[in-house]
Amino acid sequence: GEDVEQSLFLSVREGDSSVINCTYTDSSSTYLYWYKQEPGAGLQLLTYIFSNMDMKQDQRLTVLLNKKDKHLSLRIADTQTGDSAIYFCAEKGKLIFGQGTELSVKP
Amino acid sequence: DAGVIQSPRHEVTEMGQEVTLRCKPISGHNSLFWYRQTMMRGLELLIYFNNNVPIDDSGMPEDRFSAKMPNASFSTLKIQPSEPRDSAVYFCASSPRQGGNYGYTFGSGTRLTVV
Repeated sequence: GEDVEQSLFLSVREGDSSVINCTYTDSSSTYLYWYKQEPGAGLQLLTYIFSNMDMKQDQRLTVLLNKKDKHLSLRIADTQTGDSAIYFCAEKGKLIFGQGTELSVKP
Repeated sequence: DAGVIQSPRHEVTEMGQEVTLRCKPISGHNSLFWYRQTMMRGLELLIYFNNNVPIDDSGMPEDRFSAKMPNASFSTLKIQPSEPRDSAVYFCASSPRQGGNYGYTFGSGTRLTVV
């Protein structure tokens, strides 16, 4: 069945780049998404990428898609303490989520 | 737009009681989703509706759970009887249509505690 996997934790220093990785199984996924969840809040759509793209850049965010390996990554440049949250990747119409990666940014 | 509105924000109930969670999607959105979030299982899709019709309820854990969408502006998720293992944060999300680049807008969630 469909499955999405992520590493659970990532810790970086303020100003560094963060890279959050995700693997998925459904090769028919047309869209892949990154969501951010701050403590006590719902999920907020950060960005998405269409499956015929390899890369998408949106200000400090860069999404890379390797369809052959079914690997998706989110790079956050110049990471700030306000970026501390849980990040979820998700695929396709029913929006199957990964477990989430908790990003901790140390000053 | 007020976004997706869920109520209540917090619910504490005793085991065996009936619990009803409510969701008001964004006006004009045709798809509505119910998710459950726990530390152990992460985010699980319970059920989703397109144009008020349930499309896939395979994620509903058992018969104690039921969901309805009587009209385009309202949905409920009911648990009867509730059990301690149902304790979780329940999210509702809506989208203009299923999938695509529209993304999904999530509500703030209902934190359910069953004691």
